[in-house]
Amino acid sequence: KQEVTQIPAALSVPEGENLVLNCSFTDSAIYNLQWFRQDPGKGLTSLLLIQSSQREQTSGRLNASLDKSSGRSTLYIAASQPGDSATYLCAVSGAGNNRKLIWGLGTSLAVNP
Amino acid sequence: DARVTQTPRHKVTEMGQEVTMRCQPILGHNTVFWYRQTMMQGLELLAYFRNRAPLDDSGMPKDRFSAEMPDATLATLKIQPSEPRDSAVYFCASGLVDRGRYNEQFFGPGTRLTVL
Repeated sequence: KQEVTQIPAALSVPEGENLVLNCSFTDSAIYNLQWFRQDPGKGLTSLLLIQSSQREQTSGRLNASLDKSSGRSTLYIAASQPGDSATYLCAVSGAGNNRKLIWGLGTSLAVNP
Repeated sequence: DARVTQTPRHKVTEMGQEVTMRCQPILGHNTVFWYRQTMMQGLELLAYFRNRAPLDDSGMPKDRFSAEMPDATLATLKIQPSEPRDSAVYFCASGLVDRGRYNEQFFGPGTRLTVL
């Protein structure tokens, strides 16, 4: 059974710092991995999607990497800003016929001005 | 500006009442997902549809929950009878499966349900 873990659960950093959020999964047979952002009281916004055949994806100041063999993904945020404050969730999709997403509990990020 | 819409945004009801949540997926998307989010469990998949057909509803308590897609522009999630433990935020998401490739999911704003 796939399990997704995100560390740390919460993170507080000063503005301008580069930071890394971690996601690990127990079954390396995945179809893809997605990083989402959730603002308080709001829905989820997809940030990056990495297919199982890819090693990384980049969007602006965000870079996500995927190492299937070790069951890990990292989300790198460069030059963090107060507007980056949110909860970041990682989700993996299974490689079989069932493509449902299995979610981590998220990392709550606070970027302080 | 294509987005997933959900109604109602907030619902407070009493135990035993029927609750119906609605979702309008993004036009052209052929998959719809229902999730429930709680502080303790995080996000859980309740059901998902592809081309309006239910593919997986194993995460849904069958005795009280039901999910349907009466047409391509409407998905519903119904709870009857509701219980306090159903209090959560319910999200709908839609996506496009293109030639067997699952692309990213787009989420609605959620329905915050409180059952007293």
